[in-house]
Amino acid sequence: AQSVTQLGSHVSVSEGALVLLRCNYSSSVPPYLFWYVQYPNQGLQLLLKYTSAATLVKGINGFEAEFKKSETSFHLTKPSAHMSDAAEYFCAVSRNNNDMRFGAGTRLTVKP
Amino acid sequence: KAGVTQTPRYLIKTRGQQVTLSCSPISGHRSVSWYQQTPGQGLQFLFEYFSETQRNKGNFPGRFSGRQFSNSRSEMNVSTLELGDSALYLCASGTDNTVYSGANVLTFGAGSRLTVL
Repeated sequence: AQSVTQLGSHVSVSEGALVLLRCNYSSSVPPYLFWYVQYPNQGLQLLLKYTSAATLVKGINGFEAEFKKSETSFHLTKPSAHMSDAAEYFCAVSRNNNDMRFGAGTRLTVKP
Repeated sequence: KAGVTQTPRYLIKTRGQQVTLSCSPISGHRSVSWYQQTPGQGLQFLFEYFSETQRNKGNFPGRFSGRQFSNSRSEMNVSTLELGDSALYLCASGTDNTVYSGANVLTFGAGSRLTVL
């Protein structure tokens, strides 16, 4: 079965600091991996996806993630946090895109 | 193009009632998935429909059901509501896909927030 584990339910960074949100996956076959962001009272918005092309994936709003098969990880990073990045972030995995499984989410707080 | 539209956005029901939620996918998308989001359980997959057929189903009781119409619009129904059904119900649409196509991405609606009293 496929699943993802997000390490840290809450992450707090200062504005301008590096953002690192951790995600490890478990999948019996090569997975598709995704990061979504959710702002209050809204649905989920796709940040980026990995589909077995380049291992370093660039997304919107300056985010990127690196697929590391040896570590079964797909951590999300952003060099410099902005106040508008405060939201909840979800890592997700699917094998065939019909059954996407989400992690528990990481709430990012950005301090001024 | 228009995004995924979910109605109603907010609703309040009492225990024992039933509720129907509606989702209109992005034009051209034939796959519709439903998720339940709660603070305690997070995002849980309910079911997925493609061309009016349920292709995948999560671990929810039979009180949760859905359907998809020929125009790809989808509805989900919850009967005999319980307090624990209070949640944000998210619908997501996707394009046609084949295994390992890598082309499908789920686009989510804003959700229907159900409160059961």
